[in-house]
Amino acid sequence: EAGVTQSPTHLIKTRGQQATLRCSPISGHTSVYWYQQALGLGLQFLLWYDEGEERNRGNFPPRFSGRQFPNYSSELNVNALELEDSALYLCASSSRTGRQETQYFGPGTRLLVL
Amino acid sequence: AQSVTQPDIHITVSEGASLELRCNYSYGATPYLFWYVQSPGQGLQLLLKYFSGDTLVQGIKGFEAEFKRSQSSFNLRKPSVHWSDAAEYFCASAGGYNKLIFGAGTRLAVHP
Repeated sequence: EAGVTQSPTHLIKTRGQQATLRCSPISGHTSVYWYQQALGLGLQFLLWYDEGEERNRGNFPPRFSGRQFPNYSSELNVNALELEDSALYLCASSSRTGRQETQYFGPGTRLLVL
Repeated sequence: AQSVTQPDIHITVSEGASLELRCNYSYGATPYLFWYVQSPGQGLQLLLKYFSGDTLVQGIKGFEAEFKRSQSSFNLRKPSVHWSDAAEYFCASAGGYNKLIFGAGTRLAVHP
């Protein structure tokens, strides 16, 4: 069974540009989560999508947004990039929506903002 | 507010030695707890999880963890460390609305 996949693996942008990161969940999983792992800030929850709807949002500005498609894959968009957006962005998926559901992570997209 | 604390930022052990990584959580209700491992430049791999029942849980790669409610702890252990265990280890608690709350991580170095 294929795991969570993310693309691209690396992304280099300049300040003010937009970045789009993609995630495909494990087959059969309907929930997708996004986390940011920035140097010195640890792993922080960004967004949760389930059944095409945004269900929860972390403490991030509105320029971080995303969507979930009918096939449950997801995009994370970061507008007006700032230097501090440089981080590893991890996507995870789970099969259901309870607190006890295990989240399985992808390999991440490393975003570098110059 | 819910939080997870990993008191040790770095730990160094010799290959073959035993290992214990500490994790403390704060949550009023039943905690759902996880340990993940991250190798350099990689995503997170689930080692084990605790939801309820037996307080000693077994995971992959020979790891185990013990849930102690009285101490609000969920420490990760391995009886004999291998060089390939060198990585960063994250303890996490499931918060409201499905978000995982992570500790700061413990970086493990293994000396030959």
